[in-house]
Amino acid sequence: QVQLQESGPGLVRPSETLSLTCSVSGVSINNYYWSWIRQPPGKGLEWLGYIYFSGSSKYNSALGGRVGMSMDTAKNQFSLGLRSVTEADTAVYYCARDNQMGTEYYFDYWGQGALVVVSS
Amino acid sequence: DIQMTQSPSFVSASVGDRVTITCRASQDIYRWLAWYQQKPGEAPKLLIYASSTLQTGVPSRFSGSGSGTDFTLTISSLQPEDFATYYCQQANVFPRAFGQGTRLEIK
Repeated sequence: QVQLQESGPGLVRPSETLSLTCSVSGVSINNYYWSWIRQPPGKGLEWLGYIYFSGSSKYNSALGGRVGMSMDTAKNQFSLGLRSVTEADTAVYYCARDNQMGTEYYFDYWGQGALVVVSS
Repeated sequence: DIQMTQSPSFVSASVGDRVTITCRASQDIYRWLAWYQQKPGEAPKLLIYASSTLQTGVPSRFSGSGSGTDFTLTISSLQPEDFATYYCQQANVFPRAFGQGTRLEIK
């Protein structure tokens, strides 16, 4: 059974870096794409980017180049970093598997989400 | 970037009703659209992908259709556990984009 679990600080100061890790169990992170998606309180979903086990990645340009992702295959984990955060980055952050289903990719497994509040 | 617009944003319905939610893409996304269900305090759950393919384990009362720019999600006979928020998502190009959501509530 595939399971994902986000972890990291729940409070980040403005201008600092938000860092989250997603621990994956039930499947090797090799050979899959892994995404981060966020949801501000009471609002919709925003895709932040993906990382692949080869190290390739793609990010949402709406984040203005502030996002980075990495993988630790030995620990079966991948991570998100979001620099220079503001209150607008307060959200529940989800990690998800971006799986090829047919010819395209969809988010078929999600973590439970981690609320990160940006506040001084 | 592709914009996804859902309608309605809110719908009130009763158990047993048939409900249809619409999603429109700002440009052609072929059939590369998914629908997700999200309940309060939970992560979204994949219901349908490639416009009409039901994810494993999803009840057959859910169905999807459409191609190009116009898509629909239909729930044929609402059950109590179906009251949730539904999101469409395009999988054709980056950045992946979601609709703003349709909240389905009990009348």
